[in-house]
Amino acid sequence: GAVVSQHPSRVICKSGTSVKIECRSLDFQATTMFWYRQFPKQSLMLMATSNEGSKATYEQGVEKDKFLINHASLTLSTLTVTSAHPEDSSFYICSALEGAPSEQYFGPGTRLTVT
Amino acid sequence: QKEVEQDPGPLSVPEGAIVSLNCTYSNSAFQYFMWYRQYSRKGPELLMYTYSSGNKEDGRFTAQVDKSSKYISLFIRDSQPSDSATYLCAMRKTGGGNKLTFGTGTQLKVEL
Repeated sequence: GAVVSQHPSRVICKSGTSVKIECRSLDFQATTMFWYRQFPKQSLMLMATSNEGSKATYEQGVEKDKFLINHASLTLSTLTVTSAHPEDSSFYICSALEGAPSEQYFGPGTRLTVT
Repeated sequence: QKEVEQDPGPLSVPEGAIVSLNCTYSNSAFQYFMWYRQYSRKGPELLMYTYSSGNKEDGRFTAQVDKSSKYISLFIRDSQPSDSATYLCAMRKTGGGNKLTFGTGTQLKVEL
């Protein structure tokens, strides 16, 4: 199956700083990528849809100025958590669409801890 | 009411047992159905992908969709300790922009 990577796998940052998470499709081109967050023992909640070359589409309740998404190429999307606070601590997972009918393949996730 | 309901478990079974995992949904617009397996602190891994009603088998895994009842199932035969994980059902609407709606996940433990 298709492979999606994320970097870093784990990050700890201080409150008020910004953190960038990268999502890459390694063996296919993905015009669409998705960003999710997952709290402990809960399901994945879609944050935004990232389309190559255009602005991301955010889900209701997700602050677009806080969670900046850039999809500059067909294999890379980035999520920047700006001015992070402890309540932003979570597991962030990206996915990429591959093939037709399109299937979503997920990255391994990034655990963000804001102190 | 959530669009997709899934019993969170935990579900504990002995090795070799047949496991049945289920989800119900309320929106008849869902046409594509998936099962993902997620190990602790890892991203979800696609196990099964089905379209509309019917059965699909892949090795020890069988996915079943009953659209008339809005009910989907995943069966695992001859369960192994390595099957211990959280299983998430997910579904997608036709024309829904490829957005997935997930169940809460069922935590499964297969014991020796």
